Amino acid sequence: DTEVTQTPKHLVMGMTNKKSLKCEQHMGHRAMYWYKQKAKKPPELMFVYSYEKLSINESVPSRFSPECPNSSLLNLHLHALQPEDSALYLCASSQDNTYEQYFGPGTRLTVT
Amino acid sequence: GNSVTQMEGPVTLSEEAFLTINCTYTATGYPSLFWYVQYPGEGLQLLLKATKADDKGSNKGFEATYRKETTSFHLEKGSVQVSDSAVYFCASYDYKLSFGAGTTVTVRA
Repeated sequence: DTEVTQTPKHLVMGMTNKKSLKCEQHMGHRAMYWYKQKAKKPPELMFVYSYEKLSINESVPSRFSPECPNSSLLNLHLHALQPEDSALYLCASSQDNTYEQYFGPGTRLTVT
Repeated sequence: GNSVTQMEGPVTLSEEAFLTINCTYTATGYPSLFWYVQYPGEGLQLLLKATKADDKGSNKGFEATYRKETTSFHLEKGSVQVSDSAVYFCASYDYKLSFGAGTTVTVRA
């Protein structure tokens, strides 16, 4: 099973809302990632968790807050977002942070 | 850090045509190299990979060979189908995945 699941599939939120994106994998992978992808662009790395610890933050604004409750779950908490944060948010996992990454289907976020 | 350059397209082909998407990388060492495919409305799927020079990755009729001398990892398929219509990303791994800009491929019946 090489599946990474993400919920919700679509999310519309206002600039004052607080929402969370969820990602789950049951492949025993120890590294998990959040990416942001704008239309017709490649994914941009946001955060990396390795063995449940945040190892990379690519200078992401604090209105995005990641959380890794356990080795199978990764959350992205959203607060006070801007319309330019509208994008496809992709989660990925890998055996550890040197192996190939497997991506989820993404959450399409629209900020109004 | 690493960087990847790939032909941006768009590329439009007829069914059963030969597909090549060029990809070159810059790196201080010998990174692992990947091709990912993204179908409309979906996430990225790993298509194939190569971890050292002269490795050939292959999957679903696609192939790419890690060429150290030309720092290239070109993707090829001998006979494309309509279902191959997608965006293809070349990527290299340093401390993170560095993606090329993506190449949109459209295959007409």
